[in-house]
Amino acid sequence: GENVEQHPSTLSVQEGDSAVIKCTYSDSASNYFPWYKQELGKRPQLIIDIRSNVGEKKDQRIAVTLNKTAKHFSLHITETQPEDSAVYFCAASRGGRRALTFGSGTRLQVQP
Amino acid sequence: DTAVSQTPKYLVTQMGNDKSIKCEQNLGHDTMYWYKQDSKKFLKIMFSYNNKELIINETVPNRFSPKSPDKAHLNLHINSLELGDSAVYFCASSQLQGLTPGEQFFGPGTRLTVL
Repeated sequence: GENVEQHPSTLSVQEGDSAVIKCTYSDSASNYFPWYKQELGKRPQLIIDIRSNVGEKKDQRIAVTLNKTAKHFSLHITETQPEDSAVYFCAASRGGRRALTFGSGTRLQVQP
Repeated sequence: DTAVSQTPKYLVTQMGNDKSIKCEQNLGHDTMYWYKQDSKKFLKIMFSYNNKELIINETVPNRFSPKSPDKAHLNLHINSLELGDSAVYFCASSQLQGLTPGEQFFGPGTRLTVL
């Protein structure tokens, strides 16, 4: 089955800096890669996703890049703000009726 | 309007008891899931139902039994609870779009504590 590895497990940045979280996946047939943000005590919420026919996607301060050859994808957050502090999860799926396989999460702390 | 709801939010019970968690979605989605999030925050799929049909059943003890009375509901029943079952259980739903899964919407979670 699919295996998703996520790094780093914790990340601390100063407000205004950029943050990058990286994930690798094992199943070359995976074609859907979402990123979820989970605030303390809350549910995971989708912040951005990318499908395998696209190499990069941007939404304001958030961007995701995908390298299918190397089987890795990354989340980039620019101009970080304290409210970006949360646990971020990457995930992968090969589509159809298969569920998401999540990475182990990255705890991002943005210092004001 | 709550898209995916779960009850109860908190569940504290003794080892050996049987308990149920209920999930409902009002998004009209055709696929629902149960995930377990352990103390290290790792999210792992347990079950998935598509149009009331069980399509994913990961390596989960058979003390866990999902039931989907209709497309909008997916309940989780747990028999003979053990200490290791303590976790947050999330229900989620999505709409399949051809071969690609759509966004998964998560419920608020049920924090289960087994004493």
